[in-house]
Amino acid sequence: DIQMTQSPASLSASLGETVTIECRASEDIYNGLAWYQQKPGKSPQLLIYNANSLHTGVPSRFSGSGSGTQYSLKINSLQSEDVASYFCQQYYDYPYTFGAGTKLELK
Amino acid sequence: QVTLKESGPGILQPSQTLSLTCTFSGFSLSTYGMGVGWIRQPSGKGLEWLANIWWDDDKYYNPSLKNRLTISKDTSNNQAFLKITNVDTADTATYYCARIYGGYLYFDYWGQGVMVTVSS
Repeated sequence: DIQMTQSPASLSASLGETVTIECRASEDIYNGLAWYQQKPGKSPQLLIYNANSLHTGVPSRFSGSGSGTQYSLKINSLQSEDVASYFCQQYYDYPYTFGAGTKLELK
Repeated sequence: QVTLKESGPGILQPSQTLSLTCTFSGFSLSTYGMGVGWIRQPSGKGLEWLANIWWDDDKYYNPSLKNRLTISKDTSNNQAFLKITNVDTADTATYYCARIYGGYLYFDYWGQGVMVTVSS
């Protein structure tokens, strides 16, 4: 199985700040990576697919980058509605695997 | 508009079989490239992929659950199903179904989830 190591596990940031979340795969996943946002009590929502493509309706302050085994999600100009947990997922190979998640809070 | 909604028993006892239904609208599982997946999440924990089923009835399972999973679909009624046999307390979780669109492999729309508790 491909292991996804996500960091940090938790993050505290101020409104307007830029935050970055990292995900490292145990082998090359050839950009087969998605990022999801999950607000408390809600289901995950797709933000980014194919490592750097923005899903329909997602604000442009979210962006994804990376290649090979290293990927990142960046949130520019943090808004209060961005408080959530974020998960990466590789879909390059079965079984699909997720990162453990990053809980983003406001400072 | 794509929507998915999960339904299940709520609570069941160890060793029983868990049967889940995903009822969806806004797409068809008979359309080339479409798929539905099941994912679960224990309370306060991370996400675990369970299984995918595709428009052509191809199926993929998470080997960590060995032979306990069976995924199926009813195309005419826009439903997908997941059965998990011989459940125990470790299967207590919120279960989600999600769409996989048009040959891409990620989950673009998710249901609201259904909570399942395994308890004696």
